Amino acid sequence: DIVMTQSPLSLPVTPGEPASISCRSSQSLLHSNGYNYLNWYLQKPGQSPQLLIFLGSNRASGVPDRFSGSGSGTDFTLKISGVEAEDVGVYYCKQALQTPFTFGPGTTVDIK
Amino acid sequence: QVQLVQSGAEMKKPGASVKVSCKASGYTFSNYALHWVRQAPGQRLEWMGWINAGNGNTKYSQNFQDRVTITRDTSASTAYMELTSLRSEDTAVYYCARSGPSNWDFDYWGQGTLVTVSS
Repeated sequence: DIVMTQSPLSLPVTPGEPASISCRSSQSLLHSNGYNYLNWYLQKPGQSPQLLIFLGSNRASGVPDRFSGSGSGTDFTLKISGVEAEDVGVYYCKQALQTPFTFGPGTTVDIK
Repeated sequence: QVQLVQSGAEMKKPGASVKVSCKASGYTFSNYALHWVRQAPGQRLEWMGWINAGNGNTKYSQNFQDRVTITRDTSASTAYMELTSLRSEDTAVYYCARSGPSNWDFDYWGQGTLVTVSS
């Protein structure tokens, strides 16, 4: 199985400031078609997860452009250009290359 | 609008089985896949398996291979996840989530169903 790791696991942020979360996979997520099969999800308190990023860098429908995904192979980053209060929650990366699909441990983002 | 509505919370004894439903609306049910993901207290999200709602093909995580069965009723636009031989470690919130039939981005999620296993 592909093992996903994230850092940091906890990220206190100041509203308006940028934030960055790292995700690494134990195997390359780069498919022969040139796409990286890496998703980012946000689980807000008391809610179900919601899709933020697919194929490593594509924002899902309705996701604000302050969220961006980058990286390739085994190293990926989610950046928030200016954190807003509504962005608090747990961020998960997930590999979508092969079953079993596996998630990272989550990064808890909260307001300082 | 796309909605996935799951059945209510369940309390089961060890050794029992549970069957959770996920009713889809707002899209053509058979054109997408449905996945089941669980979240035990303090644990990361764990993918359990998926069903192609069109042809009924399934694939399961080896972690649950012998205990989980995912089915669907296209006439009711509903998918089901049955987990047998329950143990306390199966206490978790169980989610259904939709993806395309050939991409694995979970773009819509159900509200979650809490399953508690306790004697």
